Amino acid sequence: RKEVEQDPGPFNVPEGATVAFNCTYSNSASQSFFWYRQDCRKEPKLLMSVYSSGNEDGRFTAQLNRASQYISLLIRDSKLSDSATYLCVTPMDGGSQGNLIFGKGTKLSVKP
Amino acid sequence: SQTIHQWPATLVQPVGSPLSLECTVEGTSNPNLYWYRQAAGRGLQLLFYSVGIGQISSEVPQNLSASRPQDRQFILSSKKLLLSDSGFYLCAWSDMNTEAFFGQGTRLTVV
Repeated sequence: RKEVEQDPGPFNVPEGATVAFNCTYSNSASQSFFWYRQDCRKEPKLLMSVYSSGNEDGRFTAQLNRASQYISLLIRDSKLSDSATYLCVTPMDGGSQGNLIFGKGTKLSVKP
Repeated sequence: SQTIHQWPATLVQPVGSPLSLECTVEGTSNPNLYWYRQAAGRGLQLLFYSVGIGQISSEVPQNLSASRPQDRQFILSSKKLLLSDSGFYLCAWSDMNTEAFFGQGTRLTVV
């Protein structure tokens, strides 16, 4: 079963570029979504939460499309420090038990 | 504020030896607790999750087991490690429907 699928990447972009990742989910009852950032050999850290149509935080924008069952992450004006793996997450069964299923992640590499 | 502690940070164990990784959470009660494994260059694989003391759900049948003897303690164990058990093990906690917070992980190498 594949509850959450992500663009495999890697995405190699120059500094200043705008880049977008998509994440599709299979459970139409999912109510909450999260984007995490994971640096090499480190634990994932929360980047953004999405409970409605979308969320914006500085250069980062997450959008939710319930009809097509995908969530996207847009990064504007990419920085070298944005290089990481980005993970999409949603509770597997809509959240009643809280078991969180992660996508395999999309690797981003921002080049000077 | 809530904190999560996971130890040890790194571990090298011989094949066939037992394993015990411990994770504790502070500053919250009745959290959902998770064990994930990440093999080199791979995604996060959910191994076990728990919604309460003594309640363990296994996502993938394998050489590992988990226990939750106390509300904020989650233990990952194995009686006999295999080479394929090597990986980065992450403990996490969450409240229902909210984001998960991770421990710093244990890098296990089975030799």
